[in-house]
Amino acid sequence: DTGVSQDPRHKITKRGQNVTFRCDPISEHNRLYWYRQTLGQGPEFLTYFQNEAQLEKSRLLSDRFSAERPKGSFSTLEIQRTEQGDSAMYLCASSPDSEKLFFGSGTQLSVL
Amino acid sequence: QKEVEQDPGPLSVPEGAIVSLNCTYSNSAFQYFMWYRQYSRKGPELLMYTYSSGNKEDGRFTAQVDKSSKYISLFIRDSQPSDSATYLCAMNPGNTPLVFGKGTRLSVIA
Repeated sequence: DTGVSQDPRHKITKRGQNVTFRCDPISEHNRLYWYRQTLGQGPEFLTYFQNEAQLEKSRLLSDRFSAERPKGSFSTLEIQRTEQGDSAMYLCASSPDSEKLFFGSGTQLSVL
Repeated sequence: QKEVEQDPGPLSVPEGAIVSLNCTYSNSAFQYFMWYRQYSRKGPELLMYTYSSGNKEDGRFTAQVDKSSKYISLFIRDSQPSDSATYLCAMNPGNTPLVFGKGTRLSVIA
């Protein structure tokens, strides 16, 4: 399978714990995006990378969120001191340009 | 006012019907318009991609963009139960992150 891979698929955590998600993009794509989606809403942009450089962060991305893309390959999204409002589907997408995004299946986070 | 407005539905149609899905937007700089299909508990899948105004057809799917009215549409002909999903419109001016609508939930009843 050469699509975008996300791990884990599901994560249940207690409020206050830290969580980390991983995304492996399509290998020839140099752009990688993180979006968040809650029930009944469309995906909301969080941040994106071109190769290893983080080019833009949404104001939705509080200080508790950090993303990395070392060596321009896979990416990780970490949420520190999780809150119940962080419960959502976290979607990763990669792209050969800035328009056509190819999404993974997402990581469903539940904060209890 | 949100940048992209989309009626969340739900929309329920009989098998074989023509489905019309729509979005309006406020940012006149948007030039790239996309439709994504999302099945339950899956990521969005790119369905149609259009640059600027006009129509684009791919099998049973037709995408239309009317930039003068800031209005885009997706038509599905001969709808099938397998088309039951949430349809998301998305757009950007180019070289910026895509902005998505809320999505319209579609059910095609056999």
